[in-house]
Order: sequence, then structure tokens, then C-alpha cells
Amino acid sequence: AAGVIQSPRHLIKEKRETATLKCYPIPRHDTVYWYQQGPGQDPQFLISFYEKMQSDKGSIPDRFSAQQFSDYHSELNMSSLELGDSALYFCASSFDTHTEAFFGQGTRLTVV
Amino acid sequence: AQSVTQLDSQVPVFEEAPVELRCNYSSSVSVYLFWYVQYPNQGLQLLLKYLSGSTLVKGINGFEAEFNKSQTSFHLRKPSVHISDTAEYFCAVSDRDSSYKLIFGSGTRLLVRP
Repeated sequence: AAGVIQSPRHLIKEKRETATLKCYPIPRHDTVYWYQQGPGQDPQFLISFYEKMQSDKGSIPDRFSAQQFSDYHSELNMSSLELGDSALYFCASSFDTHTEAFFGQGTRLTVV
Repeated sequence: AQSVTQLDSQVPVFEEAPVELRCNYSSSVSVYLFWYVQYPNQGLQLLLKYLSGSTLVKGINGFEAEFNKSQTSFHLRKPSVHISDTAEYFCAVSDRDSSYKLIFGSGTRLLVRP
């Protein structure tokens, strides 16, 4: 069965650079969630989209932005990267907002 | 706002012993409850979920959990653990008030010893 695809799996960037993380949801899923998991931390909700519109926003820095495209894939754009942005970034998708969310394998971002 | 408490940051247990990982959430208003497992350097894998119906939920790998509305708890249990169960376990809750996004607990590291 198709799963949530995230790319890249690993990314190394320098401080003040920009990074773009991509998420391809399970086919026919219309809701995408982004989470950030710092070292030894629980996943923290960043932002979500339903039918290409932002549906909720969590503790996402102003330096980050995201969108969901017409094919339902989503991109998380991160600018002016800081060392503290180093984390595992998860994307999850679901069919409608109140059904089970399936997680991708994550993108490990390291800022040096 | 919804919150999840996992009181035990680490639970050491011997192989083949039973284990219970505790989870409490803050509100008894209609909620969905989940347990996820995360192996080192891996993603989040759903173990089991409670959406409605029977309060005893069975999941993968022999795990089960019981939804207790009066105690706002959703403890995870396994009657006999294996070395391969060593991992981080996250309890999560979602509800309408939180737009159904998942709110995670701080995680419990299950350490199974031979």
C-alpha cells in the first residue's frame, strides 16, 4: 500500500540558509500535517492543510512557511536556518480531518 | 487546551515480563486516542487507536490499550515483551477543539533487558 513520502530523508544546511521539505500524501488523502521533533523531544505540531487551505497553525516560526498544492503534496519552506532548527520533520496525511493520520519516515534536518 | 501526560520517561523491564505504559489526557470530551512507537532513527508507527466503540483496543505486535473515560486514561499493555519492543512509545490525542491535530505526550522509553 502507498505510504506518505517525504523528501529528502536527510538534509544538511548551514546557518542562515534555506531549506525546502516535501511531502507527498497517500493518494486521495486531502489533509496534511507537519510536525517537528527535536532531539529527545515529542513531536510538536507546526501546521496543517485541508483541501489546499491552511486549517490550523501551531508553534511554527515566522521564518517557516508551508503550502499544499493542487496535487495535494505539501512543502515546508524554512529560511534563515538556525542551529535550533535541527530536528526530525514529519509529515502526516489523512482522509478528512478526523480520521487516522499516517506518518512519513521524516526528514532529518541538520543545521551546522 | 488538550494535553497528554506520560508520567514514566523510561520503563525498564525484563524480557517476557508484562508491561504497562501509562497515559492520561486532560479532557473527557469526545476524543480520539492513539499509541505510536518510534524505533531509533525511524518514523512513527501506529500501534493502535481508539475512535469509538469497545474500550479495549487491540493493536499490532501484541499490544492492547484500554480507554477509561472516568479516569481519562489510555494505558498501553503487553503481557510478554520481547527485546525487539525496545523503543520510544508516544501516546497522542486529538479532538474537534484541536482541529483533530495530534497532541503528543512526552514519550516513554521502553527498555527490555534479557
